[in-house]
Amino acid sequence: EVQLVESGGGLVQPGGSLRLSCAGSGFNFESYSMNWVRQAPGKGLEWVSYISSSSGTIYYADSVKGRFTISRDNAKNSLYLLMHSLRAEDTAVYYCVRQEGAPYFDYWGQGTLVTVSS
Amino acid sequence: DIQLTQSPSFLSASVGDTVTITCRASQGISSYLGWYQQKPGKAPNLLIYAASTLQSGVPPRFSGSGSGTEFTLTISSLQPEDFATYYCQQLNAYPLTFGGGTKVEI
Repeated sequence: EVQLVESGGGLVQPGGSLRLSCAGSGFNFESYSMNWVRQAPGKGLEWVSYISSSSGTIYYADSVKGRFTISRDNAKNSLYLLMHSLRAEDTAVYYCVRQEGAPYFDYWGQGTLVTVSS
Repeated sequence: DIQLTQSPSFLSASVGDTVTITCRASQGISSYLGWYQQKPGKAPNLLIYAASTLQSGVPPRFSGSGSGTEFTLTISSLQPEDFATYYCQQLNAYPLTFGGGTKVEI
């Protein structure tokens, strides 16, 4: 069974940093591209970042470019999102998402809540 | 960036109804469109990919059509478990974008 489990969310002050992790299991993690998608409270979905299977290609949404860094460790079946200079508008549930080759997002984690507030 | 406009934003329907949701792209995206269902407090669930291909395990009352800039999601014979919010997503170009969502209410 494919599972994606996020961790690392919590309350952080504006300007602070946080590192999210996502542990994948039940599939060959190193063969899949991965993404982070977020959803602010009561709002729609926003794609945040993409990383290819080998980490050779990375993309970011303009809203996080220069502040967030996506990475992965295929040996540990893990995906990461390092977030710096956090703002109130970064408050959201962050989902780890597997990308199938077609392409489409076929498996989502349960999400981890990041709250940026003083 | 490619903008996706979903309509309507809200839709009231009854069990057994057939409902249609439209997603319009600001530029052509071929068939690189997916549809997701999201229930409160849950992660989105993939329904349709490549505009019209039903994801494994999704009931056949869900169907998708379209290409280029105009796409539709149709739910035939609406069931109680279908009351949720639906999102379209383009995967033609980065940054990937989602539509604003359509909430289907009783």
